[in-house]
Amino acid sequence: GQNIDQPTEMTATEGAIVQINCTYQTSGFNGLFWYQQHAGEAPTFLSYNVLDGLEEKGRFSSFLSRSKGYSYLLLKELQMKDSASYLCAVRDRGAGSYQLTFGKGTKLSVIP
Amino acid sequence: NAGVMQNPRHLVRRRGQEARLRCSPMKGHSHVYWYRQLPEEGLKFMVYLQKENIIDESGMPKERFSAEFPKEGPSILRIQQVVRGDSAAYFCASSHPSAPNTGELFFGEGSRLTVL
Repeated sequence: GQNIDQPTEMTATEGAIVQINCTYQTSGFNGLFWYQQHAGEAPTFLSYNVLDGLEEKGRFSSFLSRSKGYSYLLLKELQMKDSASYLCAVRDRGAGSYQLTFGKGTKLSVIP
Repeated sequence: NAGVMQNPRHLVRRRGQEARLRCSPMKGHSHVYWYRQLPEEGLKFMVYLQKENIIDESGMPKERFSAEFPKEGPSILRIQQVVRGDSAAYFCASSHPSAPNTGELFFGEGSRLTVL
């Protein structure tokens, strides 16, 4: 099975940088994903990491350490529209490797 | 290019009734997944379908729940004899068959089922 932990809520100021952490335990790691979900809307794909290191995409970056079972999502130059839930998800290498196991999400509030 | 379309967006049922949720994947996508999101919980995998085939239904309750993805038409998640515990948001996602490695899923906006 898999266990994914991420903080329930975070608050940050507009223009600042925020880091959302995610730790996971899995028997056969095959990729980590971050999704953004605004209240009442569909989750949208942000990033995918399968190798250690940092993946940068505009204001968003995602980091992975497989040995530590750890990832973070870094959001720079925060904007009010970044207020949303951020979902960490892990894919297992075993049977059903297309399945994503999601954490409960981190609700980020960006304040002026 | 329309995204994943789900309907209805909101559905209210009384205990014992049936709920039918529909999902049309993105154009060109032949893989459909259903996830359930309970209040304050993460998205939970239910079932993975390709056209006319159920690939994996390991996350779907054995009783009362069924899913199909016919050759023509949308995928349907059917819940019979609904109970209050079925109240949740049901999300459909699709992926392109040539993108198995990235595993990027495109989600619909969900169908919110309320059982009275």
